[in-house]
Amino acid sequence: KQEVTQIPAALSVPEGENLVLNCSFTDSAIYNLQWFRQDPGKGLTSLLLIQSSQREQTSGRLNASLDKSSGRSTLYIAASQPGDSATYLCAALSGGGADGLTFGKGTHLIIQP
Amino acid sequence: NAGVTQTPKFRILKIGQSMTLQCTQDMNHNYMYWYRQDPGMGLKLIYYSVGAGITDKGEVPNGYNVSRSTTEDFPLRLELAAPSQTSVYFCASSYSGQGSNQPQHFGDGTRLSIL
Repeated sequence: KQEVTQIPAALSVPEGENLVLNCSFTDSAIYNLQWFRQDPGKGLTSLLLIQSSQREQTSGRLNASLDKSSGRSTLYIAASQPGDSATYLCAALSGGGADGLTFGKGTHLIIQP
Repeated sequence: NAGVTQTPKFRILKIGQSMTLQCTQDMNHNYMYWYRQDPGMGLKLIYYSVGAGITDKGEVPNGYNVSRSTTEDFPLRLELAAPSQTSVYFCASSYSGQGSNQPQHFGDGTRLSIL
């Protein structure tokens, strides 16, 4: 059974800093890994999707990397802004009977103005 | 662009009551999913569907039922509401499942309290 862990659970940094969010998964037989953003009281917004054959994906100030062999993914946020404050969720798509995503508990990020 | 639409947004039920959470998508996605999110926890898969007429259980299906009569709609039914079903429910859809390079699109959620 796939398990996804995110570290840290919460993070507070001053505006302008570069930061890294970590995600680890137990079963390396994944199809893809996705990073989502969740604002309070809202649904999930897809940020980046990395296919199992890829090493990284970039979108604007966001860069996500994937190392299947070590079971790790990182989300790098450059030049953080207060609008980046949200909960970031990592999720792995793998087999094993349930064709859905396995989510971590998320990292609650606060960017201080 | 509507995307994935969930209704209602909020609901309070009494123990033992039943209700249906509605989900519809206008992206012609064949895969649809129901997740629940408890406070401080990640989302857990309840049921999923790979197309009209096909549904399957996820990680936490007990106490729920689903149907998929059309591509667009994927309702989730609670027959006998229990306090343990107090949660936020999210519906999602995607163009295809395993091996896909397409992300899942989520609705805004239904916040359900069982009292």
